[in-house]
Amino acid sequence: DVKVTQSSRYLVKRTGEKVFLECVQDMDHENMFWYRQDPGLGLRLIYFSYDVKMKEKGDIPEGYSVSREKKERFSLILESASTNQTSMYLCASSFPRGLSPLHFGNGTRLTVT
Amino acid sequence: AQTVTQSQPEMSVQEAETVTLSCTYDTSESDYYLFWYKQPPSRQMILVIRQEAYKQQNATENRFSVNFQKAAKSFSLKISDSQLGDAAMYFCAYRRPTGGGADGLTFGKGTHLIIQP
Repeated sequence: DVKVTQSSRYLVKRTGEKVFLECVQDMDHENMFWYRQDPGLGLRLIYFSYDVKMKEKGDIPEGYSVSREKKERFSLILESASTNQTSMYLCASSFPRGLSPLHFGNGTRLTVT
Repeated sequence: AQTVTQSQPEMSVQEAETVTLSCTYDTSESDYYLFWYKQPPSRQMILVIRQEAYKQQNATENRFSVNFQKAAKSFSLKISDSQLGDAAMYFCAYRRPTGGGADGLTFGKGTHLIIQP
């Protein structure tokens, strides 16, 4: 079974802190994704990576950056956390083929105070 | 940009009955991919069913089936013999054709499905 592991299930940070959310997958997937999930808004794509060191902006990249130094690991970085970044963050991975499903981690619920 | 619309924020069904969740999408592509995901309270996103637009035959996975109407850009999910374990948020998602540009699924806002015992 594909396993996508997010390092934290719950995280509480202060405004202005630098926050790292880590994601690791074990299926040698080329593609990795970070989504943000908010009630009533569904899932929105923050960033996408199709290879090591390669990244593309999604629909809502402002305030976020990403890092992919190894194929299995994809990090989401909040350079200076703000309260409006309080949300559920979901990492996913997949092969780059249309019908290949995205496999998701369990999510990190981030609260910024 | 593609959009996916789920017009039912919440649905309720009696156990053992059938329920249909609606999904429409907007695209100018002729081939693409459609998915339904389920998210129970555990927060784990679980793939329910998937369909390639090029194939007209409706996908089926046990009690789950879709009604894919390409011309109408509609991709509804039918759950037969509803069970308590089906209670979850259901998300419809669209994926553009592969090759060039950003990948990733575009999700609808979700439908909260309640199963009444």
